[in-house]
Amino acid sequence: AQKITQTQPGMFVQEKEAVTLDCTYDTSDQSYGLFWYKQPSSGEMIFLIYQGSYDEQNATEGRYSLNFQKARKSANLVISASQLGDSAMYFCAMREVQTGANNLFFGTGTRLTVIP
Amino acid sequence: EAGVTQFPSHSVIEKGQTVTLRCDPISGHDNLYWYRRVMGKEIKFLLHFVKESKQDESGMPNNRFLAERTGGTYSTLKVQPAELEDSGVYFCASSSLTGVVYEQYFGPGTRLTVT
Repeated sequence: AQKITQTQPGMFVQEKEAVTLDCTYDTSDQSYGLFWYKQPSSGEMIFLIYQGSYDEQNATEGRYSLNFQKARKSANLVISASQLGDSAMYFCAMREVQTGANNLFFGTGTRLTVIP
Repeated sequence: EAGVTQFPSHSVIEKGQTVTLRCDPISGHDNLYWYRRVMGKEIKFLLHFVKESKQDESGMPNNRFLAERTGGTYSTLKVQPAELEDSGVYFCASSSLTGVVYEQYFGPGTRLTVT
């Protein structure tokens, strides 16, 4: 079963508007971490934001915030005031603690295009 | 501080040939990971080194793939013989520590095309 689901293959947003990229996850672990990465056309994967399963507050990093709804198992990324440089692929990922593995499980990604 | 580097950036080989991908992690990072993304699919974990030891290789698809990390510094991933389904982007990542909170720093990937 897919551990991370990103249902939006592509999204468009007007420059300066906010956009939400969806991510749902599946785990039976009580302790886990959720990550968002950005992959611009240059190819490198850039870490954006992290949310721990026990964190009570939603994570924020500058214009990025993570809308964490534990009961719904969703971890949506919100980008405020979109900029042209935000155009990229965005990947949601999860690491489980109780399994003891350190690898990340990724979704298929969402391609965001910011329109001037 | 230099990031994770990977070489080559692109590789096109014929089915049956051998290819070796290289990853140089961030200096001082004991943990090194290999991932692969086949076109249109999710990025999948291949294996995890702690220093020179293989901590977890549960994601390696078959014995045509061989990963090494001599001396606990750079790592190589050899595919021999390559098959068409091996095409994809191979990412390397490193981290200083393990645990749920520590992010992995990724390299730009090597795009492998097997024809």
